[in-house]
Amino acid sequence: DADVTQTPRNRITKTGKRIMLECSQTKGHDRMYWYRQDPGLGLRLIYYSFDVKDINKGEISDGYSVSRQAQAKFSLSLESAIPNQTALYFCATSLSSGNTIYFGEGSWLTVV
Amino acid sequence: GDSVTQMEGPVTLSEEACLTINCTYTATGYPSLFWYVQYPGEGLQLLLKATKADDKGSNKGFEATYRKETTSFHLEKGSVQVSDSAVYFCASFTGNQFYFGTGTSLTVIP
Repeated sequence: DADVTQTPRNRITKTGKRIMLECSQTKGHDRMYWYRQDPGLGLRLIYYSFDVKDINKGEISDGYSVSRQAQAKFSLSLESAIPNQTALYFCATSLSSGNTIYFGEGSWLTVV
Repeated sequence: GDSVTQMEGPVTLSEEACLTINCTYTATGYPSLFWYVQYPGEGLQLLLKATKADDKGSNKGFEATYRKETTSFHLEKGSVQVSDSAVYFCASFTGNQFYFGTGTSLTVIP
């Protein structure tokens, strides 16, 4: 089983709908991240959380929100999805005492 | 601010050819450096890393050396295989933040 699990792995949704991507981890890491991957743009940070009570905006947080329900769970929400949010989304984790980041397998989101 | 710049792709090589993917970084401190690999349909996996100047990271026949004087961490492999076809990301970690390059797509043809 993957240490960082994302659900759903694939989702097609309509413009204006609310969608939530969930992430859970069994690595025991305190830090969690959401990234977005677009062709030619690499990875862009949406939000990150250094612990349950510490949530921070990344470089492209507009149109997104997050919730850190527990140390092991970090969800990403699109309140009103739009087509340019069509992308591959990655959850990731790291240790505050470490310097390596670990990724989930990704969630493909298509907004039509 | 801190950043990572890597070679634009895509790169297409024949099997057994030599590979170099260039990566340079800018950092205010002393970053740790990484190469991640993303195989088709999968997430990013750590390929190798180096945490201080002159360290060499290696894995699966790939290697990269942390060059402080040139602020570089180029990825090399002497003989690529079809199974190496993937997207490769250079990354740095400094000041509690990770910085990623835009990725280089590699296709190896038989």
